[in-house]
Amino acid sequence: QSLLTQPPSVSAAPGQKVTISCSGSSSNIGNNFVSWYQYVPGGAPRLLIYDNNKRPSGIPDRFSGSKSGTSATLVITGVQAGDEADYYCGTGDSGFRIAEFGGGTKLTVL
Amino acid sequence: QVQLQESGPGLVKPSETLALNCDVSEYSISNGYHWGWLRQSPGKGLEWIGSVFYDGTTSYMPSLERRISIFVDTSKNQFSLELRSVTAADTATYFCARHVLIRGRSYFDYWGRGNLVSVSS
Repeated sequence: QSLLTQPPSVSAAPGQKVTISCSGSSSNIGNNFVSWYQYVPGGAPRLLIYDNNKRPSGIPDRFSGSKSGTSATLVITGVQAGDEADYYCGTGDSGFRIAEFGGGTKLTVL
Repeated sequence: QVQLQESGPGLVKPSETLALNCDVSEYSISNGYHWGWLRQSPGKGLEWIGSVFYDGTTSYMPSLERRISIFVDTSKNQFSLELRSVTAADTATYFCARHVLIRGRSYFDYWGRGNLVSVSS
């Protein structure tokens, strides 16, 4: 059972915007930065967002992240067929030693 | 570009030890960072297992702490996972990744492609 709660699935038509939420607590998100990952089964997970809202080099600005209190949000604008994947939020714990992940959200592009 | 590559058996018998290696290239482990192992079991989400600092300091997922060891070999630029007394519940794709773990920050910026391990007799 993940300590970070994500919706199991979301869907969007190409070109639309999709929002994925990640809800935690003061023991994790509330006192740590949040990251987001894209995972297509069979491949390597890809870091999309770190430090709540920063994008690594090579990640399109269609992907954006934010955090407020004990929750975080990933927004994908201009959804493309290639965005169909599982998306995970991640953060640390209150002891700054353990990594935690959400249960994952499957994005279906209609 | 940092590259990681997992290696190890694809099949392990119940009660035995799962052992995986992760070879790191284009970056020297001795230069710093933590190095982590994660897994995804069929139908489940990503799960962090544990990480090792370049100096050998480790942190483990509490529920697995009694069964796992992660250690680093800087001479080979490699780190390794041992998971003892495995059961079918340990069947998963295992990933290694570079772990940025600094007070308040915990994220994985470079990943291997994964090694599928099945636990079965």
